[in-house]
Amino acid sequence: NAGVTQTPKFRVLKTGQSMTLLCAQDMNHEYMYWYRQDPGMGLRLIHYSVGEGTTAKGEVPDGYNVSRLKKQNFLLGLESAAPSQTSVYFCASTLGPYSGNTIYFGEGSWLTVV
Amino acid sequence: GIQVEQSPPDLILQEGANSTLRCNFSDSVNNLQWFHQNPWGQLINLFYIPSGTKQNGRLSATTVATERYSLLYISSSQTTDSGVYFCAVEEDTGGFKTIFGAGTRLFVKA
Repeated sequence: NAGVTQTPKFRVLKTGQSMTLLCAQDMNHEYMYWYRQDPGMGLRLIHYSVGEGTTAKGEVPDGYNVSRLKKQNFLLGLESAAPSQTSVYFCASTLGPYSGNTIYFGEGSWLTVV
Repeated sequence: GIQVEQSPPDLILQEGANSTLRCNFSDSVNNLQWFHQNPWGQLINLFYIPSGTKQNGRLSATTVATERYSLLYISSSQTTDSGVYFCAVEEDTGGFKTIFGAGTRLFVKA
């Protein structure tokens, strides 16, 4: 059981380059999330999805786009990377609200923008 | 949006000591969870606790939803307890966002 898998785990980008982070879960979860974690800080919600084909903005959505074309996958895109987007990115999923189910996290993706 | 505040921000304990971590939230929530992030960055769920009290070994948690706070108790701390403890609440805004506090950084000395 793989749980939540993020790729890539490490990436260095130049300012202005684009990239996509992939999150895959094999637990048939409805809800998926992308967070970023900066040094010494908590996790801030970038975007989230409540089901296939749906996405919504979180606390810090600017500079990012997302897509949920398949239930098991949630993609996070950076169209034009900036140094301020240097961070650790975590994907998470859960069965749904009011379900009593915990949130499962991926292992993180370390992104550096130079 | 909802505000989640955790205290203390940093905590240093001698191995064997007990501690209490606090999480305050500014509005009613659907649920509340406690997580531990180990020194390698891995996030592990500790408790799903929208209300009441739960215990798991040396850890226990209590949430008083009507007063908008939750407490995480660590007894007989061990060096492996070191890391960051996060409180996260599920905000019912029609989209059910899960918002994290800034965390409590715990270091347990041998």
